[in-house]
Amino acid sequence: AQTVTQSQPEMSVQEAETVTLSCTYDTSESNYYLFWYKQPPSRQMILVIRQEAYKQQNATENRFSVNFQKAAKSFSLKISDSQLGDTAMYFCAFYLSGTYKYIFGTGTRLKVLA
Amino acid sequence: DAGVIQSPRHEVTEMGQEVTLRCKPISGHDYLFWYRQTMMRGLELLIYFNNNVPIDDSGMPEDRFSAKMPNASFSTLKIQPSEPRDSAVYFCASSPPRGEKLFFGSGTQLSVL
Repeated sequence: AQTVTQSQPEMSVQEAETVTLSCTYDTSESNYYLFWYKQPPSRQMILVIRQEAYKQQNATENRFSVNFQKAAKSFSLKISDSQLGDTAMYFCAFYLSGTYKYIFGTGTRLKVLA
Repeated sequence: DAGVIQSPRHEVTEMGQEVTLRCKPISGHDYLFWYRQTMMRGLELLIYFNNNVPIDDSGMPEDRFSAKMPNASFSTLKIQPSEPRDSAVYFCASSPPRGEKLFFGSGTQLSVL
């Protein structure tokens, strides 16, 4: 069975600094996708970034980038130039192609300090 | 596109009452999911549909929970009778045919007193 682990329940970062959130997963499959979702206080689950396992290149979306280490089964999220609006819960998620089941980690609460 | 639309945003009810949560998925998305989020258990998949047909309801906690999708643009999650332990945020989400991207609604905060 697949699992997703986020070992940092809470983190904080100063505005304009860079922060990295960790995620590890476990699977014996090869065809899967990884995601980071953001959940601000408004409760909305927002897709931040998506990585296909077959792609070696790390995904990037503006200030958000990932470090995807397939052999190590690690998928960390780097937020550059942190902004107050980045304050939220961040969930790492795993999707095994064809199963239609997403597995979510327990989340990391990030607070950006002014 | 307006995204996944859920209603109501908040629901407060008394134990024993029937609760109905509603969802409109993104047009063209074949898959619809219902999730429940609690502090203790995180995000749990309750049920998902493909082309309006329930595929996997193994996450539905009890017979008190039921879900329907009468057409491609509407789904309901019903709890009857409701209990205080059902208090949670309920999310609806949809995805396009290959299921490789999940879009969430804004959730319904349910409080059962």
